[in-house]
Amino acid sequence: KQEVTQIPAALSVPEGENLVLNCSFTDSAIYNLQWFRQDPGKGLTSLLLIQSSQREQTSGRLNASLDKSSGRSTLYIAASQPGDSATYLCAVRPDGSSNTGKLIFGQGTTLQVKP
Amino acid sequence: SAVISQKPSRDICQRGTSLTIQCQVDSQVTMMFWYRQQPGQSLTLIATANQGSEATYESGFVIDKFPISRPNLTFSTLTVSNMSPEDSSIYLCSVGQGMNTEAFFGQGTRLTVV
Repeated sequence: KQEVTQIPAALSVPEGENLVLNCSFTDSAIYNLQWFRQDPGKGLTSLLLIQSSQREQTSGRLNASLDKSSGRSTLYIAASQPGDSATYLCAVRPDGSSNTGKLIFGQGTTLQVKP
Repeated sequence: SAVISQKPSRDICQRGTSLTIQCQVDSQVTMMFWYRQQPGQSLTLIATANQGSEATYESGFVIDKFPISRPNLTFSTLTVSNMSPEDSSIYLCSVGQGMNTEAFFGQGTRLTVV
């Protein structure tokens, strides 16, 4: 059974700092991994999608890496801003003949960037 | 990308009643999913809604409690039936075009059962 873990659960940093969020998964048989942002009480905003054959993806100040064999992904946020404060969720799409395309989510990392 | 409109955005309901949540997508999509996010928790898949067939439910979720309709490739509804306070959650609709494509989410429906 695929399980996704995110560390740390919460993180507080001063504005301008570079930071790394971690995601690990137990089964390397995945189609892809996706990082999302969720603001309090809101839906999910897709940040980055990494296919299983890719090593990393970049969008602006965000860079996500994937090491499928070791079951790890990191989300790097450069020069953090107060507007980056949110919960960041990692989700994997399992591979396999019985898969319906669903995502399995980690518990999230709640980030607070202080001015 | 896909733009997803979910209605209602929030509701407060009496226990024992039912609420139907609508999910409208601005383009035809193959895959549509309904997730639940309980307070302080991450997302859990309720069911996969495929057009023209019955929804496929995850373990712990049943059709009598969460009936789903998918009449076409742009629309789906989820009903939360005979609600109890334990059903208080955010319910989210998600869509995708295939296994290798990005998943998109609606803004969610925040349900409070009193």
